[in-house]
Amino acid sequence: SQTIHQWPATLVQPVGSPLSLECTVEGTSNPNLYWYRQAAGRGLQLLFYSVGIGQISSEVPQNLSASRPQDRQFILSSKKLLLSDSGFYLCAWSTGNYGYTFGSGTRLTVV
Amino acid sequence: AQSVTQLDSQVPVFEEAPVELRCNYSSSVSVYLFWYVQYPNQGLQLLLKYLSGSTLVKGINGFEAEFNKSQTSFHLRKPSVHISDTAEYFCAVTDNSGGSNYKLTFGKGTLLTVNP
Repeated sequence: SQTIHQWPATLVQPVGSPLSLECTVEGTSNPNLYWYRQAAGRGLQLLFYSVGIGQISSEVPQNLSASRPQDRQFILSSKKLLLSDSGFYLCAWSTGNYGYTFGSGTRLTVV
Repeated sequence: AQSVTQLDSQVPVFEEAPVELRCNYSSSVSVYLFWYVQYPNQGLQLLLKYLSGSTLVKGINGFEAEFNKSQTSFHLRKPSVHISDTAEYFCAVTDNSGGSNYKLTFGKGTLLTVNP
């Protein structure tokens, strides 16, 4: 069966520190992968999506970047965090046009 | 491009009462439609989806939704809610041709609060 792993579950980082969030998928090949951010009261914002290894599309200009070094691995990074980067980050995957499967999320607090 | 409007940001109801969460969408092409539920500090879980066929779709936890193409709506209903249904609910849409790389467009969510 397909599963998606996202870690860590919670993270508290100081302003200006780097960030690396990792997401891995099991049980499927060549998935589309997505990073979303959910800020309080603002719904889900698509940050990045990837249709294959090394292929990253950015949806909004920001302080973050994404990489896909392997077929089932998707990494969200920042060199220097801002207070505004705080939020709930969700990774998701899909194959075909039948909806997403989401990870359990990472709560990032920048202090 | 598609867009989704969830007409109510918050819906409070009493336990065992019926509930309807409203969703309208806009699209120039045919669509697939989805409802997701999010419990506090968790990821989103698929409740149900409309791909084709019967316009009345049944999902998990006793929820159902009806696709109305003429009104571009996909409202979510449950005849009798439980305390455990308290969560945020998201409606989502995608272009059914795959032309958008299967990206979902989400509404802003409706917080359903079930009171005893």
